[in-house]
Amino acid sequence: DTAVSQTPKYLVTQMGNDKSIKCEQNLGHDTMYWYKQDSKKFLKIMFSYNNKELIINETVPNRFSPKSPDKAHLNLHINSLELGDSAVYFCATTGNGELFFGEGSRLTVL
Amino acid sequence: KNEVEQSPQNLTAQEGEFITINCSYSVGISALHWLQQHPGGGIVSLFMLSSGKKKHGRLIATINIQEKHSSLHITASHPRDSAVYICAPTGGAQKLVFGQGTRLTINP
Repeated sequence: DTAVSQTPKYLVTQMGNDKSIKCEQNLGHDTMYWYKQDSKKFLKIMFSYNNKELIINETVPNRFSPKSPDKAHLNLHINSLELGDSAVYFCATTGNGELFFGEGSRLTVL
Repeated sequence: KNEVEQSPQNLTAQEGEFITINCSYSVGISALHWLQQHPGGGIVSLFMLSSGKKKHGRLIATINIQEKHSSLHITASHPRDSAVYICAPTGGAQKLVFGQGTRLTINP
């Protein structure tokens, strides 16, 4: 039973489309994150939620909108996709200081 | 200058060698994570430490908060240790800042 699961794992889409990536954790943690890993493999935080409340919102375009319907879920919706949005997006959660990552969702914008 | 600097960026060694990866950071932190990312892409947390030293199997992590420096050591390295190792200091509000990663290749 995967602790942090993301769907879809792969997503190929055209510029201008809107897409969502879903994340669910079954660890009962309060804090969830979205990270972006670019083509150079550099990880950067995008958002952090604590018990459905937005805590961290880095300088991410407002085309990216996170939504947390409950503390076990943190979804990422992206409007008007651009070529530069192509990356691997990781969801993660933390509890007692330990980090748990999802397997990543590779988004390719054509 | 990046907030987190790792060295070396790439490291190739022979099986059995002792490996050291270094991480220096400029931000104030409450803790520091060492992460491992395998070629398949998944990321695993190896350690979270806020002081001193931790050991897990053949892996040892140390941190010196005053010097803002941490090291990850691998003893008796094995080809399955080949991966990218990422240092991630954690500041306020649980915000992680990531190093650029060290790509380790262990040859048999």
